[in-house]
Amino acid sequence: GAGVSQSPSNKVTEKGKDVELRCDPISGHTALYWYRQRLGQGLEFLIYFQGNSAPDKSGLPSDRFSAERTGESVSTLTIQRTQQEDSAVYLCASSFYRGVNTGELFFGEGSRLTVL
Amino acid sequence: QKEVEQNSGPLSVPEGAIASLNCTYSDRGSQSFFWYRQYSGKSPELIMFIYSNGDKEDGRFTAQLNKASQYVSLLIRDSQPSDSATYLCAVNVMNYKLTFGKGTLLTVNP
Repeated sequence: GAGVSQSPSNKVTEKGKDVELRCDPISGHTALYWYRQRLGQGLEFLIYFQGNSAPDKSGLPSDRFSAERTGESVSTLTIQRTQQEDSAVYLCASSFYRGVNTGELFFGEGSRLTVL
Repeated sequence: QKEVEQNSGPLSVPEGAIASLNCTYSDRGSQSFFWYRQYSGKSPELIMFIYSNGDKEDGRFTAQLNKASQYVSLLIRDSQPSDSATYLCAVNVMNYKLTFGKGTLLTVNP
């Protein structure tokens, strides 16, 4: 497809379970971001991947969160032992890397996570 | 101090009026500035970007940047009900990490 693809679009899980969210970026985009958006809130940066560089994990809220990216393609965000406060929409975005002007992000439709 | 600040609103304007959305940022090293629009239940989409001081116009939209005052704004002329959305200001603070404000909810009344 032409856009950023995320799956699942909706996930309901029980507290304490692990979840895995997937993002397939636009082909050719070397930069990939994960953001979290809680209901009625802004976008909270989680992690950034750029090519083969070490990812910027500075936004991950706890060690229960981890993310991987295979080369310049698919990324997975894993949340272990989910808590109710993890309930949010998880947005993936990709872009070309343009140095200081990087910011033209293309977002996927998001994965809505509900932890019961 | 928050890195990117916006009034949460809601900002309500009548159809045909000018809507003015404001954003301040704390990092003087910020290089590039972006406005995203997010409709309810949808993902953000880029509508404007600006890199240099001054104004940048695109159709009904004008972005204004004042780096000395650390201030960026978005003007929407001839506002339409379809412009009703949350507008997110975003700033590139570390050459790649785009930091977003919490957004301003705009409602355009017919």
